[in-house]
Amino acid sequence: DTGVSQNPRHKITKRGQNVTFRCDPISEHNRLYWYRQTLGQGPEFLTYFQNEAQLEKSRLLSDRFSAERPKGSFSTLEIQRTEQGDSAMYLCASSLGVGARTEAFFGQGTRLTVV
Amino acid sequence: GESVGLHLPTLSVQEGDNSIINCAYSNSASDYFIWYKQESGKGPQFIIDIRSNMDKRQGQRVTVLLNKTVKHLSLQIAATQPGDSAVYFCAESPGGSNYQLIWGAGTKLIIKP
Repeated sequence: DTGVSQNPRHKITKRGQNVTFRCDPISEHNRLYWYRQTLGQGPEFLTYFQNEAQLEKSRLLSDRFSAERPKGSFSTLEIQRTEQGDSAMYLCASSLGVGARTEAFFGQGTRLTVV
Repeated sequence: GESVGLHLPTLSVQEGDNSIINCAYSNSASDYFIWYKQESGKGPQFIIDIRSNMDKRQGQRVTVLLNKTVKHLSLQIAATQPGDSAVYFCAESPGGSNYQLIWGAGTKLIIKP
């Protein structure tokens, strides 16, 4: 296990279609995060899991977005009825921690283009 | 809203010189700060972190300074190399049970030969 893995790396979809991204965190990491990043900006937090529990969800995460981490290992992020404004890099990160904060390791991201 | 920001969007440094990248944060309750490096087309890469009970931490060629009085964070890179070219982000963790990171817009570091 060499790091956080995200698939696909790139996704082009037509407006109105649904897309799903997958994140495989570093094994044994109990925390998993999804962020969205647009060009020239820092990542924006979307949601956070501790094991299989989704503990935090940003106001940015509209009803069209849903994330799951069913077995506390890999996670999926689904966007329904995509809009052009959803075009961005979607980053996944994982960290290991009990209580204290520790560094989060990021994957390479999935770049979504909605046409 | 509370946010982390950066003073300079672009920093040009001569190869071999030291680089200093600055960051201001506004949430006085933040208790954990991280610097990330992001190269084009890649995810952010962890550089160094610091907790609010410290004011300085050193890594390999990097030093992070935290001034809680003025809510200022800086990243110092010694003997800057071409491989240091990237966008650098500081991020803060708001504290409590909130584990998200709040990020600034980034500083692009350009290395001049």
